Amino acid sequence: IAGITQAPTSQILAAGRRMTLRCTQDMRHNAMYWYRQDLGLGLRLIHYSNTAGTTGKGEVPDGYSVSRANTDDFPLTLASAVPSQTSVYFCASSDWTGGGPVFFGQGTRLTVV
Amino acid sequence: AQKVTQAQTEISVVEKEDVTLDCVYETRDTTYYLFWYKQPPSGELVFLIRRNSFDEQNEISGRYSWNFQKSTSSFNFTITASQVVDSAVYFCALRGGYNTDKLIFGTGTRLQVFP
Repeated sequence: IAGITQAPTSQILAAGRRMTLRCTQDMRHNAMYWYRQDLGLGLRLIHYSNTAGTTGKGEVPDGYSVSRANTDDFPLTLASAVPSQTSVYFCASSDWTGGGPVFFGQGTRLTVV
Repeated sequence: AQKVTQAQTEISVVEKEDVTLDCVYETRDTTYYLFWYKQPPSGELVFLIRRNSFDEQNEISGRYSWNFQKSTSSFNFTITASQVVDSAVYFCALRGGYNTDKLIFGTGTRLQVFP
Protein backbone atom coordinates (compact mmCIF):
# COMPACT_ATOMS: atom_id res chain seq x y z
CA ILE A 1 0.00 0.00 0.00
CA ALA A 2 1.43 3.37 -1.02
CA GLY A 3 2.11 5.85 1.71
CA ILE A 4 4.55 7.29 4.21
CA THR A 5 6.45 5.15 6.67
CA GLN A 6 8.05 6.59 9.79
CA ALA A 7 10.43 4.82 12.13
CA PRO A 8 10.57 4.34 15.00
CA THR A 9 6.97 4.53 16.16
CA SER A 10 8.07 5.67 19.57
CA GLN A 11 11.35 6.26 21.37
CA ILE A 12 12.63 7.26 24.77
CA LEU A 13 15.91 9.10 24.43
CA ALA A 14 18.40 10.34 26.98
CA ALA A 15 19.15 14.05 26.82
CA GLY A 16 22.31 14.80 24.89
CA ARG A 17 22.01 11.79 22.62
CA ARG A 18 21.83 11.98 18.86
CA MET A 19 18.74 10.59 17.16
CA THR A 20 17.56 10.24 13.58
CA LEU A 21 13.90 9.84 12.77
CA ARG A 22 13.38 8.07 9.49
CA CYS A 23 10.77 8.84 6.87
CA THR A 24 10.19 7.11 3.55
CA GLN A 25 7.47 7.69 1.01
CA ASP A 26 6.66 5.62 -2.05
CA MET A 27 4.32 8.03 -3.81
CA ARG A 28 7.15 9.78 -5.70
CA HIS A 29 6.07 13.08 -4.18
CA ASN A 30 8.49 15.92 -4.76
CA ALA A 31 7.82 17.79 -1.51
CA MET A 32 8.39 16.44 2.00
CA TYR A 33 7.97 17.94 5.45
CA TRP A 34 8.63 17.40 9.12
CA TYR A 35 6.21 18.69 11.74
CA ARG A 36 6.09 18.47 15.48
CA GLN A 37 2.82 18.39 17.37
CA ASP A 38 2.55 19.70 20.89
CA LEU A 39 -0.57 20.08 22.99
CA GLY A 40 -2.19 23.47 22.45
CA LEU A 41 0.25 24.45 19.71
CA GLY A 42 -1.02 22.39 16.81
CA LEU A 43 1.43 21.26 14.17
CA ARG A 44 4.51 23.35 13.60
CA LEU A 45 6.76 23.00 10.60
CA ILE A 46 10.35 22.10 11.41
CA HIS A 47 11.95 21.67 7.97
CA TYR A 48 10.75 21.03 4.48
CA SER A 49 12.11 20.00 1.10
CA ASN A 50 10.58 21.06 -2.20
CA THR A 51 12.57 18.52 -4.17
CA ALA A 52 15.48 16.12 -3.80
CA GLY A 53 18.67 18.01 -3.04
CA THR A 54 17.00 21.05 -1.48
CA THR A 55 15.80 21.79 2.04
CA GLY A 56 14.36 24.76 3.87
CA LYS A 57 13.67 25.90 7.41
CA GLY A 58 10.20 25.97 8.86
CA GLU A 59 8.84 27.69 11.95
CA VAL A 60 10.88 25.80 14.56
CA PRO A 61 14.13 24.53 12.95
CA ASP A 62 16.55 25.02 15.84
CA GLY A 63 18.08 21.80 17.12
CA TYR A 64 17.05 19.83 14.03
CA SER A 65 18.65 19.05 10.70
CA VAL A 66 17.42 17.28 7.58
CA SER A 67 18.77 15.95 4.33
CA ARG A 68 17.11 14.97 1.06
CA ALA A 69 19.50 12.78 -0.88
CA ASN A 70 16.74 11.22 -2.97
CA THR A 71 13.03 11.57 -3.63
CA ASP A 72 11.85 8.93 -1.20
CA ASP A 73 13.75 9.59 2.04
CA PHE A 74 13.72 12.58 4.36
CA PRO A 75 15.42 11.84 7.69
CA LEU A 76 15.24 14.25 10.62
CA THR A 77 18.22 14.40 12.98
CA LEU A 78 18.38 15.72 16.52
CA ALA A 79 22.09 16.31 17.08
CA SER A 80 21.88 16.57 20.87
CA ALA A 81 18.40 15.97 22.20
CA VAL A 82 16.88 18.18 24.90
CA PRO A 83 13.68 17.61 26.92
CA SER A 84 11.87 20.40 25.04
CA GLN A 85 12.10 18.23 21.95
CA THR A 86 9.70 15.76 23.54
CA SER A 87 6.86 15.71 21.03
CA VAL A 88 5.05 13.75 18.37
CA TYR A 89 6.80 14.10 15.03
CA PHE A 90 4.97 13.76 11.75
CA CYS A 91 6.56 13.33 8.36
CA ALA A 92 4.48 14.36 5.37
CA SER A 93 4.70 14.56 1.61
CA SER A 94 2.86 16.08 -1.31
CA ASP A 95 2.94 16.32 -5.04
CA TRP A 96 3.37 20.07 -5.32
CA THR A 97 2.15 20.23 -8.90
CA GLY A 98 -1.29 21.85 -8.73
CA GLY A 99 -1.06 22.30 -4.99
CA GLY A 100 -1.89 18.72 -4.13
CA PRO A 101 -2.93 17.63 -0.65
CA VAL A 102 -0.32 16.82 1.97
CA PHE A 103 -0.32 13.27 3.30
CA PHE A 104 1.05 12.33 6.69
CA GLY A 105 2.85 9.39 8.22
CA GLN A 106 1.61 7.77 11.40
CA GLY A 107 3.88 9.81 13.63
CA THR A 108 6.81 9.15 15.96
CA ARG A 109 6.34 9.77 19.66
CA LEU A 110 9.65 10.93 21.08
CA THR A 111 10.33 11.41 24.77
CA VAL A 112 13.60 13.03 25.82
CA VAL A 113 14.49 12.42 29.46
CA ALA B 1 3.48 36.19 6.74
CA GLN B 2 0.98 33.39 6.68
CA LYS B 3 -1.21 32.56 9.61
CA VAL B 4 -4.18 30.35 10.39
CA THR B 5 -6.42 31.04 13.36
CA GLN B 6 -8.84 28.56 14.85
CA ALA B 7 -10.34 30.51 17.70
CA GLN B 8 -12.44 27.64 19.02
CA THR B 9 -10.24 25.49 21.21
CA GLU B 10 -12.90 22.96 22.10
CA ILE B 11 -16.52 22.37 21.16
CA SER B 12 -18.93 19.92 22.74
CA VAL B 13 -22.22 18.92 21.13
CA VAL B 14 -24.78 16.23 21.48
CA GLU B 15 -25.24 13.74 18.69
CA LYS B 16 -27.36 14.95 15.76
CA GLU B 17 -26.55 18.58 16.40
CA ASP B 18 -24.97 20.62 13.62
CA VAL B 19 -21.62 22.17 14.40
CA THR B 20 -19.43 24.70 12.60
CA LEU B 21 -15.69 24.92 13.04
CA ASP B 22 -14.23 28.31 12.23
CA CYS B 23 -11.02 29.01 10.36
CA VAL B 24 -9.59 32.43 9.54
CA TYR B 25 -6.41 32.80 7.52
CA GLU B 26 -3.92 35.48 6.57
CA THR B 27 -1.74 35.50 3.48
CA ARG B 28 -0.33 37.96 0.98
CA ASP B 29 -0.29 35.38 -1.78
CA THR B 30 -2.89 35.70 -4.52
CA THR B 31 -2.72 31.98 -5.17
CA TYR B 32 -3.06 29.77 -2.15
CA TYR B 33 -4.66 26.57 -0.94
CA LEU B 34 -6.71 25.79 2.13
CA PHE B 35 -7.09 22.41 3.79
CA TRP B 36 -8.95 20.69 6.57
CA TYR B 37 -7.56 17.66 8.38
CA LYS B 38 -9.11 15.39 10.98
CA GLN B 39 -7.09 13.83 13.78
CA PRO B 40 -9.10 11.13 15.57
CA PRO B 41 -8.04 9.79 18.98
CA SER B 42 -5.87 7.21 17.23
CA GLY B 43 -3.56 10.05 16.22
CA GLU B 44 -3.27 9.87 12.45
CA LEU B 45 -3.96 12.93 10.32
CA VAL B 46 -6.68 12.42 7.75
CA PHE B 47 -7.00 14.74 4.78
CA LEU B 48 -10.57 16.00 4.32
CA ILE B 49 -10.57 18.73 1.70
CA ARG B 50 -8.45 21.13 -0.32
CA ARG B 51 -9.65 24.37 -1.91
CA ASN B 52 -7.71 26.79 -4.06
CA SER B 53 -8.03 30.54 -3.80
CA PHE B 54 -9.77 30.87 -7.15
CA ASP B 55 -12.64 28.58 -6.32
CA GLU B 56 -15.08 30.02 -3.82
CA GLN B 57 -17.80 27.51 -4.44
CA ASN B 58 -19.05 25.86 -1.32
CA GLU B 59 -18.58 22.14 -1.18
CA ILE B 60 -20.65 19.38 0.36
CA SER B 61 -19.54 15.84 0.98
CA GLY B 62 -22.12 13.81 2.83
CA ARG B 63 -22.59 15.40 6.25
CA TYR B 64 -19.57 17.67 5.73
CA SER B 65 -19.70 21.07 4.08
CA TRP B 66 -17.22 23.87 3.66
CA ASN B 67 -17.83 27.59 3.27
CA PHE B 68 -14.97 29.52 1.70
CA GLN B 69 -15.26 33.32 1.74
CA LYS B 70 -12.32 35.35 0.51
CA SER B 71 -13.96 38.60 1.61
CA THR B 72 -13.64 37.55 5.24
CA SER B 73 -10.59 35.26 4.78
CA SER B 74 -12.53 32.38 6.23
CA PHE B 75 -12.85 28.70 5.42
CA ASN B 76 -15.39 27.27 7.83
CA PHE B 77 -16.30 23.61 8.20
CA THR B 78 -19.78 22.41 9.13
CA ILE B 79 -20.75 18.93 10.23
CA THR B 80 -24.46 18.25 9.92
CA ALA B 81 -26.16 15.79 12.23
CA SER B 82 -22.95 15.09 14.13
CA GLN B 83 -22.07 11.59 15.25
CA VAL B 84 -19.89 10.24 18.02
CA VAL B 85 -17.37 9.12 15.38
CA ASP B 86 -16.88 12.76 14.45
CA SER B 87 -15.13 13.32 17.77
CA ALA B 88 -11.61 14.41 16.86
CA VAL B 89 -9.31 17.37 16.60
CA TYR B 90 -9.81 19.25 13.36
CA PHE B 91 -7.06 21.33 11.81
CA CYS B 92 -7.33 24.03 9.21
CA ALA B 93 -4.20 24.66 7.14
CA LEU B 94 -2.92 27.12 4.54
CA ARG B 95 -0.41 26.61 1.79
CA GLY B 96 0.98 29.54 -0.14
CA GLY B 97 1.31 29.95 -3.86
CA TYR B 98 4.04 29.01 -6.22
CA ASN B 99 7.47 28.42 -4.76
CA THR B 100 6.05 28.40 -1.27
CA ASP B 101 5.66 24.83 -0.22
CA LYS B 102 5.03 25.40 3.45
CA LEU B 103 1.78 24.13 4.88
CA ILE B 104 0.91 26.17 7.96
CA PHE B 105 -1.59 24.81 10.48
CA GLY B 106 -3.95 26.38 12.93
CA THR B 107 -3.87 25.18 16.52
CA GLY B 108 -6.87 22.92 15.99
CA THR B 109 -10.37 22.59 17.40
CA ARG B 110 -11.23 19.61 19.55
CA LEU B 111 -14.76 18.42 18.83
CA GLN B 112 -16.47 16.15 21.29
CA VAL B 113 -19.77 14.62 20.27
CA PHE B 114 -21.70 13.05 23.10
CA PRO B 115 -24.36 10.37 22.59
